[in-house]
Amino acid sequence: QSVLTQPPSASGTPGQRITISCSGSSSNIGSKTVNWYQQLPGTAPKLLIYSNNQRPSGVPARFSGSKSGTSASLAISGLQSEDEADYFCASSDGSLNVVVFGGGTKLTVL
Amino acid sequence: EVQLVESGGGLVQPGGSLRLSCAASGFTFSSSWMHWVRQAPGKGLVWVSRMNTDGSSTTYADSVKGRFTISRDYAKNTLYLQMNSLRVEDTAVYYCVQNLLTTREGGDHWGQGTLVTVSS
Repeated sequence: QSVLTQPPSASGTPGQRITISCSGSSSNIGSKTVNWYQQLPGTAPKLLIYSNNQRPSGVPARFSGSKSGTSASLAISGLQSEDEADYFCASSDGSLNVVVFGGGTKLTVL
Repeated sequence: EVQLVESGGGLVQPGGSLRLSCAASGFTFSSSWMHWVRQAPGKGLVWVSRMNTDGSSTTYADSVKGRFTISRDYAKNTLYLQMNSLRVEDTAVYYCVQNLLTTREGGDHWGQGTLVTVSS
């Protein structure tokens, strides 16, 4: 049972815009920043979004992040087949004094 | 370019020990918080441990507290994870991460991982 809650799966068609949610509490998302990671099969996680809505160099602008209260969201616009991957959110938890992850969302591009 | 290269994984029997290494380059090792994150086969990411910049503070997940020890060698720019009393449920790919969840420009960086299998 993960501290951060994500839907286990999501899907969309090429060109579509989809969002993936990440729900937490006041001790993590509500007071700390959120990162998002993309993990392709057999590879290490890749940072997509840091500090809630910042994209590292090289990450396409069609990936965006937002946060409101105790929830965060990752949006992918102009969905492409290569976006098919697992997506994880992460934050710090000030009460537990640990880093917490969401359980992951498997994105399928139909 | 930041590079993190893990090594030391392998097959070990329950109750055994293993030491993982993470060779770091391309950044100032002594200015970075370093973490270990693991992922069991087919499962999600789980944070394991972290060490602050000067090594004076360490934190562990409850599941590994008392069994795992994180350390770092500044002369070798290397992070370690000593794993003792290993259990079947410790089987996972272990990733070394620089500055996990930092707000600094560019964000954090991950290694490629090393697989630890605990089985009899």
